[in-house]
Amino acid sequence: GAVVSQHPSRVICKSGTSVKIECRSLDFQATTMFWYRQFPKQSLMLMATSNEGSKATYEQGVEKDKFLINHASLTLSTLTVTSAHPEDSSFYICSATEGGAYEQYFGPGTRLTVT
Amino acid sequence: EDQVTQSPEALRLQEGESSSLNCSYTVSGLRGLFWYRQDPGKGPEFLFTLYSAGEEKEKERLKATLTKKESFLHITAPKPEDSATYLCAVRNSGGYQKVTFGTGTKLQVIP
Repeated sequence: GAVVSQHPSRVICKSGTSVKIECRSLDFQATTMFWYRQFPKQSLMLMATSNEGSKATYEQGVEKDKFLINHASLTLSTLTVTSAHPEDSSFYICSATEGGAYEQYFGPGTRLTVT
Repeated sequence: EDQVTQSPEALRLQEGESSSLNCSYTVSGLRGLFWYRQDPGKGPEFLFTLYSAGEEKEKERLKATLTKKESFLHITAPKPEDSATYLCAVRNSGGYQKVTFGTGTKLQVIP
């Protein structure tokens, strides 16, 4: 149980274009979903927290207009990187929690490369 | 602000050589301490949640323990497939659901 999927696993896009990453909870209802970014040899950096049907809460320093998060259903959240630039290249990982549980279950991650 | 410090940064063990990874933390009201395993290029895999000092949990060759200031992940007779980065994280008692992660210990088990 507690399986989270992400799509795509890898994406290459040109500078200035937008990219959408999907995160799905496959066997549970995710009341809360999280989006993280991870740089090489560094730990996970929380970008934002989203609850189903509500606006996402962004961490300090994360641009809301650049990283658009939508959590329209209890099984799907999306992260859209708008007007991507090479510095946005990174490993993006989503996670989800079920109900009042504290454990986060992570997706496999999406490697974004902006050329 | 919550803080998590993991040591060592990297650990190299011979197959069968038991050892422990350390996670020191400061948190305003611990609501949970979590251990995850992360393989290269993949998302973290949940291992354990510990809630209070004295609590222990086991899974195969792994055993996690918790005190008021730190947690240990003991690895007994490791195998090469245990090679991964092990992450520790804490959640505080505030209403906000944010979890603070450490930078991990990269474990390599040599056959």
